[in-house]
Amino acid sequence: GAVVSQHPSWVICKSGTSVKIECRSLDFQATTMFWYRQFPKQSLMLMATSNEGSKATYEQGVEKDKFLINHASLTLSTLTVTSAHPEDSSFYICSARDGGRDQPQHFGDGTRLSIL
Amino acid sequence: GNSVTQMEGPVTLSEEAFLTINCTYTATGYPSLFWYVQYPGEGLQLLLKATKADDKGSNKGFEATYRKETTSFHLEKGSVQVSDSAVYFCALSVLQAGTALIFGKGTTLSVSS
Repeated sequence: GAVVSQHPSWVICKSGTSVKIECRSLDFQATTMFWYRQFPKQSLMLMATSNEGSKATYEQGVEKDKFLINHASLTLSTLTVTSAHPEDSSFYICSARDGGRDQPQHFGDGTRLSIL
Repeated sequence: GNSVTQMEGPVTLSEEAFLTINCTYTATGYPSLFWYVQYPGEGLQLLLKATKADDKGSNKGFEATYRKETTSFHLEKGSVQVSDSAVYFCALSVLQAGTALIFGKGTTLSVSS
């Protein structure tokens, strides 16, 4: 089946550091990838939709300059949390759609980000 | 707007008990409906889906029927196992909204032997 790899799985860093999270579709090409954020014991909130070769579409309330998204190829999207602060600590999950718009999304295993 | 409402958890059951997790939705247009499962410390896995009214999605003994008249997509399993313990998310996507998934809050299921 379709596999999405997310890296790193866990990162701990100091406040002020920028952190890059990678999301790769391993056995399919993903024209669209999605980035979600999940707070403890809560649901996933969509942050942005990333289309290959174009600018990401951010959800209302998500800071574009804070969460930089790049989708440079059909198999890779990156999320960079710039100048991270403790309130950015969360579980970040990416997903990629395999095929047309009526196809389900496949999720990565998530990245746990802890900012000290 | 588009939204998903799930029953509050946690749901605690004994092994072999019958499971129902309620899910209702509000959507503009004609949504596709999904159930995802998240095991502890892992990402989300698609459990089942239905793309049109009266479709029944099924997988691993779980099933859910797309009920347009009641705007519901309840998840059921006849006999749960300890290994089913996880968080279950109901979700929808609408073509008009770019097909991003909109999730319910999740329901934690705990099954004891």
